Amino acid sequence: GESVGLHLPTLSVQEGDNSIINCAYSNSASDYFIWYKQESGKGPQFIIDIRSNMDKRQGQRVTVLLNKTVKHLSLQIAATQPGDSAVYFCAELNTGATNKLIFGTGTLLAVQP
Amino acid sequence: NAGVTQTPKFRVLKTGQSMTLLCAQDMNHEYMYWYRQDPGMGLRLIHYSVGEGTTAKGEVPDGYNVSRLKKQNFLLGLESAAPSQTSVYFCASTGAGKGHSNQPQHFGDGTRLSIL
Repeated sequence: GESVGLHLPTLSVQEGDNSIINCAYSNSASDYFIWYKQESGKGPQFIIDIRSNMDKRQGQRVTVLLNKTVKHLSLQIAATQPGDSAVYFCAELNTGATNKLIFGTGTLLAVQP
Repeated sequence: NAGVTQTPKFRVLKTGQSMTLLCAQDMNHEYMYWYRQDPGMGLRLIHYSVGEGTTAKGEVPDGYNVSRLKKQNFLLGLESAAPSQTSVYFCASTGAGKGHSNQPQHFGDGTRLSIL
């Protein structure tokens, strides 16, 4: 069925603070996970990915944590900047069964100057 | 290297009209995808292709057709547009070969389509 909700969950942070965006994924068989950033009027942009044989992966100012026990994924952004304001969403994939990503609906990150 | 390019960027159609959305990628990717994005619903897969000459249905294929005559292009067609097809359409691609399923999809900037 269709989702009725039109409002994304919103995380509001002060510039310079750290941000943590959470995602609960649905399939315990998923073994590959991606975080995307989508700015207004743009397509989703790859940020970072992680495979299920890892529980943490770091990039430039970003860290992804994976907790397979509770099917939870988080994206940490250090020293959040105004340019980080966007919608962030996670995606999961069971690489052994399909090549189709399952996307979450997203979280709006609003950075206050 | 342009990545994934979608044309047109915007279009307004009347109910019943037809049109084709074009997606082109210059990364030699095997896999290509068409999604629609609606408020509060995230990305939903319409159709996808695992290689030149092949297509398959996604989650919401009704009312759309696709073709992959060339590896670099993936076309999405609306034969008879309906207001319910008002949406933002995104094309994506990803590589193939060993480890292809562990590669992120690269997206275009979307086509904003309004059906009146």
